[in-house]
Amino acid sequence: GAGVSQSPSNKVTEKGKDVELRCDPISGHTALYWYRQSLGQGLEFLIYFQGNSAPDKSGLPSDRFSAERTGGSVSTLTIQRTQQEDSAVYLCASSWGRSVGSYNEQFFGPGTRLTVL
Amino acid sequence: AQSVTQLDSHVSVSEGTPVLLRCNYSSSYSPSLFWYVQHPNKGLQLLLKYTSAATLVKGINGFEAEFKKSETSFHLTKPSAHMSDAAEYFCVVTYRSGGYNKLIFGAGTRLAVHP
Repeated sequence: GAGVSQSPSNKVTEKGKDVELRCDPISGHTALYWYRQSLGQGLEFLIYFQGNSAPDKSGLPSDRFSAERTGGSVSTLTIQRTQQEDSAVYLCASSWGRSVGSYNEQFFGPGTRLTVL
Repeated sequence: AQSVTQLDSHVSVSEGTPVLLRCNYSSSYSPSLFWYVQHPNKGLQLLLKYTSAATLVKGINGFEAEFKKSETSFHLTKPSAHMSDAAEYFCVVTYRSGGYNKLIFGAGTRLAVHP
């Protein structure tokens, strides 16, 4: 079946412009995560959505970053007034519902490579 | 607090020789630990996971890892490297926060395999 998809695969933008990154999770997965992977770094958690619950935004680095998830499926990560330090690969993952005790494997998309000039 | 340290940023081996990717963790309670692999221009893929069952965990593509609590380690090994193993590998520890499992990633180890 289809995995997690993300678009665009690459995005080049100018400093100060806004960008939107899209994530389509695996059908039926109620949990959705956004991560940022900077050059030479591990993944940094950004935000987590679970069903209709309020999202965990604790990883968002600044108020220029926001995300929404419409209808419990597709999610959009928006970065306003982009800065050069925002350049990174943005990864989306999805999993089955809220895990209790055991770990629900997160399935990752291929990412969006964002370059801010 | 939970953290994970991958001791080598780059590892280079010859095809057919053993692979060892080192990972140490810090956790205030019994952790769940994972190894993920990331091939160029592809998404992260779960290689294997340890969740307090057997300490020697077998994963896909011939990889395995051993959980050693006394050494706080979870090193990834493979007896014989293949060219297709060249990728970036991430050691991950998970902990529960806000009612769900959060992942903490190591900085990654890039594995190069030479003919």
